[in-house]
Amino acid sequence: GENVEQHPSTLSVQEGDSAVIKCTYSDSASNYFPWYKQELGKRPQLIIDIRSNVGEKKDQRIAVTLNKTAKHFSLHITETQPEDSAVYFCAASYPGTGANSKLTFGKGITLSVRP
Amino acid sequence: NAGVTQTPKFQVLKTGQSMTLQCAQDMNHNSMYWYRQDPGMGLRLIYYSASEGTTDKGEVPNGYNVSRLNKREFSLRLESAAPSQTSVYFCASIPPRGTDTQYFGPGTRLTVL
Repeated sequence: GENVEQHPSTLSVQEGDSAVIKCTYSDSASNYFPWYKQELGKRPQLIIDIRSNVGEKKDQRIAVTLNKTAKHFSLHITETQPEDSAVYFCAASYPGTGANSKLTFGKGITLSVRP
Repeated sequence: NAGVTQTPKFQVLKTGQSMTLQCAQDMNHNSMYWYRQDPGMGLRLIYYSASEGTTDKGEVPNGYNVSRLNKREFSLRLESAAPSQTSVYFCASIPPRGTDTQYFGPGTRLTVL
């Protein structure tokens, strides 16, 4: 099955700096790569996603890049703010036998933005 | 729309007790999922249901059973709870077509003593 790894496990940045979180996946058949943000005690919420036919996607201060050859994708957050502090999960989805594919999640990274 | 709802929010069980975690969605979604979240382990898939009447095992199904009661509801049952099942449980669902975005419920925090 799919294996998703996140690096690093924790990241601390100064407010206003950029943060980059990288994930690698193992199954070249994976075709959908979402990023979820989870604040303390809350549910995971999708912040951005990318499909395998696209190399980069941007949404205001957040962007995701995908390198299919190297099997890695990265989350980029620019002009970080204290409210960006949270746990971020990457995931990969590979085609399954059911009506929809299944997500395999990385273990998460704790981002701390220092004011 | 209430989205994805879960009950209860918190539960404490003794080893060997049984209980059912409830999940419901009012978004007409076909696929539903149960995950457990443990510190440092991310989200791990327990069971999923691609459509009403079908269920399949995920990564960590042992000790759990599920029921897809109808299109709206997907329940998770612990027949004989163990301390290793202490975790936060999330239910999620996906719209019928055009996206793989999973919408999560608020979670159930379960402690087994």
